[in-house]
Amino acid sequence: DTEVTQTPKHLVMGMTNKKSLKCEQHMGHRAMYWYKQKAKKPPELMFVYSYEKLSINESVPSRFSPECPNSSLLNLHLHALQPEDSALYLCASSLRVLNTIYFGEGSWLTVV
Amino acid sequence: TQLLEQSPQFLSIQEGENLTVYCNSSSVFSSLQWYRQEPGEGPVLLVTVVTGGEVKKLKRLTFQFGDARKDSSLHITAAQPGDTGLYLCAGASGNQFYFGTGTSLTVIP
Repeated sequence: DTEVTQTPKHLVMGMTNKKSLKCEQHMGHRAMYWYKQKAKKPPELMFVYSYEKLSINESVPSRFSPECPNSSLLNLHLHALQPEDSALYLCASSLRVLNTIYFGEGSWLTVV
Repeated sequence: TQLLEQSPQFLSIQEGENLTVYCNSSSVFSSLQWYRQEPGEGPVLLVTVVTGGEVKKLKRLTFQFGDARKDSSLHITAAQPGDTGLYLCAGASGNQFYFGTGTSLTVIP
């Protein structure tokens, strides 16, 4: 059972909508991640937070905006997305950066 | 550039057959992880190997880490339909965490 919880599991949004994906972990991990994944492909890193500070931003478009309110929570704010942004968005955490990563169940995003 | 190459990319076998998935790199990894991902779900950690030459067994799954810590393999004995999924190796090398290219396994009943 995953101890990384993501909500919502499914999200359909229009290109002018503003929505957020939420992630929570209570394992005491100090590194949290957002990944984007297309079908049968490996996850692609978007953002890394280490000790609540953004440490890596992999050239992600500004229509994706991460937020880490505290050590247990991670949000991904979505605005003016494109249909090609439709994918599975995975939140993950690890004790520290470069340690073993544990994933949530993912949020399926469809942009119409 | 893919630091971790997996082979095969796709594999379709009959229930009861054995199979091996390979994860190769030219770089040294401090540890390697294997994940299984079912459609629509997040990757689930199967195992972490940390010592060169290490072999770990998880029921019908056997994981091996190469002596030089540059490669790993996953062997499944008597595959079952429940083994169907995307298998990913992953690990840290230098100051980055990498995922393998993935192996999509289908076990036909």
